[in-house]
Amino acid sequence: SYELTQPPSVSVPPGQTASITCSGDNLGNKYVCWYQQKPGQSPVLVMYQGSKRPSGIPERFSGSNSGNAATLTISGTQAMDEADYYCQAWDTITAVFGGGTTLTVL
Amino acid sequence: QVQLVESGGGVVQPGRSLRLSCAASGFIFSRYTMHWVRQAPGKGLEWVAVTSYDGRKKYYADSVKGRFTISRDNYKNTLYLQMNSLRPEDAAVYYCARDDTDIGNDYWGQGTLVTVSS
Repeated sequence: SYELTQPPSVSVPPGQTASITCSGDNLGNKYVCWYQQKPGQSPVLVMYQGSKRPSGIPERFSGSNSGNAATLTISGTQAMDEADYYCQAWDTITAVFGGGTTLTVL
Repeated sequence: QVQLVESGGGVVQPGRSLRLSCAASGFIFSRYTMHWVRQAPGKGLEWVAVTSYDGRKKYYADSVKGRFTISRDNYKNTLYLQMNSLRPEDAAVYYCARDDTDIGNDYWGQGTLVTVSS
């Protein structure tokens, strides 16, 4: 079965750039989504098709996807960005989530 | 505004059944693919099942195939998940989520908690 791999945790000082990676076989040829989940809340879509932001998502969120990896980048990271982030891709007819990355802003 | 409200969670013994519901409002339910996604306590998201807009196509994660059934009633604007032969590892918060084609799961419910314990 298809697998997506994310680092368990990423730390970044406030105001700096955070990058969260998601790796999977031939991932660059798949649609990748990213979700943000804060404690006790439901996930929120923050990126789709690898690099497109839904309405309402701040411009500091950006994404890329090529080869075997997708990356979610948060520029000028703020304390409110502290959350778990999950990548998602489709493997033919089933969806797969990465294991999630906890972003700490400190 | 789009709303998805799950219900039906609770405590159930291993081997028993439970049916979850997801009431949708604020959009034309019959036009959208819908998903169930779960999250075990302290763990990550796990995709469970998907149904096409008309209910004719359904796909499942290997972990639930043969035990869970996703369905929908487009007249009642409701999504269902029938869970049979429940196992302790099925314990999780279950979310329903809308799928906007090629965009992803753009709206999620608040989740309903399923506990499997004797």
